[in-house]
Amino acid sequence: GAVVSQHPSWVICKSGTSVKIECRSLDFQATTMFWYRQFPKQSLMLMATSNEGSKATYEQGVEKDKFLINHASLTLSTLTVTSAHPEDSSFYICSAGWVNSNQPQHFGDGTRLSIL
Amino acid sequence: GNSVTQMEGPVTLSEEAFLTINCTYTATGYPSLFWYVQYPGEGLQLLLKATKADDKGSNKGFEATYRKETTSFHLEKGSVQVSDSAVYFCALIGVAGGFKTIFGAGTRLFVKA
Repeated sequence: GAVVSQHPSWVICKSGTSVKIECRSLDFQATTMFWYRQFPKQSLMLMATSNEGSKATYEQGVEKDKFLINHASLTLSTLTVTSAHPEDSSFYICSAGWVNSNQPQHFGDGTRLSIL
Repeated sequence: GNSVTQMEGPVTLSEEAFLTINCTYTATGYPSLFWYVQYPGEGLQLLLKATKADDKGSNKGFEATYRKETTSFHLEKGSVQVSDSAVYFCALIGVAGGFKTIFGAGTRLFVKA
């Protein structure tokens, strides 16, 4: 149980294009989805937290206009990297969990984004 | 604020060796503690957890005990395999941190045949 599906797993695109990453909880409903960025050989950096039907809460230093998050349903959240540039290349990971809870989050397999 | 400190890697072991990855934490109150594992090119998988002092989490031969007195949650395995090669993250969730998951920096483990 508690499977989180993230798609695509790998994307390569040209500078200036926008890329959408989907995160779905397949067999459970979570109130909150989290988006992380991970640089090579580093830990996860929380980018934003989103709840269904409301605006995402972004961490300090994360550009909300660059990283658009939509959370249309309890089981689906999307991250769109707008006008992507090479410095946006990274490994992006989503997770699903619950606010105000000590239950562990469940993670997707990540998306490797490479901007040429 | 809450924080997690892990031993630096990489840790290189021979197959069947004993593994310890140290993790200590700083938190107000009684956080829940977790170990996650990340295999190359993949997301994080929950390995084990403990929610109160003296709890022992265990899974796949790995175990860790929640030690309140030393604020530690060290990961151990008696006999590692090549397939255990991965990055291991210690993490906590606590009330004082607004229930955000706080991750350690990760420890890379290499197991040689």
